[in-house]
Amino acid sequence: QKEVEQNSGPLSVPEGAIASLNCTYSDRGSQSFFWYRQYSGKSPELIMSIYSNGDKEDGRFTAQLNKASQYVSLLIRDSQPSDSATYLCAVDLMKGAQKLVFGQGTRLTINP
Amino acid sequence: NAGVTQTPKFQVLKTGQSMTLQCAQDMNHNSMYWYRQDPGMGLRLIYYSASEGTTDKGEVPNGYNVSRLNKREFSLRLESAAPSQTSVYFCASSQKTGWSTDTQYFGPGTRLTVL
Repeated sequence: QKEVEQNSGPLSVPEGAIASLNCTYSDRGSQSFFWYRQYSGKSPELIMSIYSNGDKEDGRFTAQLNKASQYVSLLIRDSQPSDSATYLCAVDLMKGAQKLVFGQGTRLTINP
Repeated sequence: NAGVTQTPKFQVLKTGQSMTLQCAQDMNHNSMYWYRQDPGMGLRLIYYSASEGTTDKGEVPNGYNVSRLNKREFSLRLESAAPSQTSVYFCASSQKTGWSTDTQYFGPGTRLTVL
């Protein structure tokens, strides 16, 4: 079983709709969770970090964490064509490990 | 404030050649990382340095060596390049505060092709 799993997609969403990206992880000791966005040919850039159960909102982005189910998700509201990218979920191996394990990424396409 | 910089941006090697990828950060971060990214594989950790003077293996260290030259610089060396090392290489850095794993900031990447 992979340590961090994402649906590779592609996920296609119409402009203005909500895009929902999901990630599951295997290590119950994980404490830090990150969503990165990566445009084609570019480096990953941080979208959200989340450390506690529940929701965390930042503009059009909401990260949701459920440690009991070992599940973290990213919602993008009012999706824009500029949101078309690959979204990487990253999880630490254990608390304070300073090492991340990345999922393979979900490719998201927003259709005008 | 340039963040994380990497050189070169592109490189083509022949099998058996050696080269060093350079990485520097100006954010006074303690931890630095080298990843490789292959299509459909996400990012895989090659080596990391939790602090100046220390280095540790990641998930895919074979065929690579690293040097943490000082707090700013972390280099990755391929001693004898192989076609399987064709990939995009990213350097990253993070501040280390202790109680949680901190955000990693990535450089622009080096696209390496080994023929």
